[in-house]
Amino acid sequence: AQKITQTQPGMFVQEKEAVTLDCTYDTSDPSYGLFWYKQPSSGEMIFLIYQGSYDQQNATEGRYSLNFQKARKSANLVISASQLGDSAMYFCAMREPRGGSARQLTFGSGTQLTVLP
Amino acid sequence: GAGVSQSPSNKVTEKGKDVELRCDPISGHTALYWYRQSLGQGLEFLIYFQGNSAPDKSGLPSDRFSAERTGGSVSTLTIQRTQQEDSAVYLCASSPPTSGSSDTQYFGPGTRLTVL
Repeated sequence: AQKITQTQPGMFVQEKEAVTLDCTYDTSDPSYGLFWYKQPSSGEMIFLIYQGSYDQQNATEGRYSLNFQKARKSANLVISASQLGDSAMYFCAMREPRGGSARQLTFGSGTQLTVLP
Repeated sequence: GAGVSQSPSNKVTEKGKDVELRCDPISGHTALYWYRQSLGQGLEFLIYFQGNSAPDKSGLPSDRFSAERTGGSVSTLTIQRTQQEDSAVYLCASSPPTSGSSDTQYFGPGTRLTVL
């Protein structure tokens, strides 16, 4: 079974509009972390935002916010006031401590966001 | 400060040859990860180093893949007898010495490996 599911292979948004990128996850561990990364065409993976499973508030970082719905196991990324430079591939990822030894990220398949002028 | 650096940025090799990919993590980061990004498989975890502990090699796809980390800093990923299916972008990441699930991983620019 997929651990991280991103159902939108591609999304388009008009410049200055807000856009939501979907992410659902599957874990039985009560302690986990959720991350969003941006990968522009240059290839580097840029960390955007983090949400811990025990965090009471939704995470926000500038124009990025994470709509965390724990019961539904969803962690959607909201980008407000889209800019042309936001055009990139966006990856949702999860980290499960698994006894404290395993710390790798499990990534979704990504969503290609295109911001239209 | 400086981010994660990787070298070479591009590597073209012939099938059957060995390759070495290098990663220099952010100074002070104790954890280091290797991932592979390919068209068919997405982003896959390969190996994880934490300080002086034994590495977690659970993601290595075959015994042709190995990695070492010298002095708790620089890491080298070695692929022996390369195959065409090894063609991918190899990404290295590091994270600071904190605990729990919040450790943010910072990625390098990657090495694009092409096996002819």
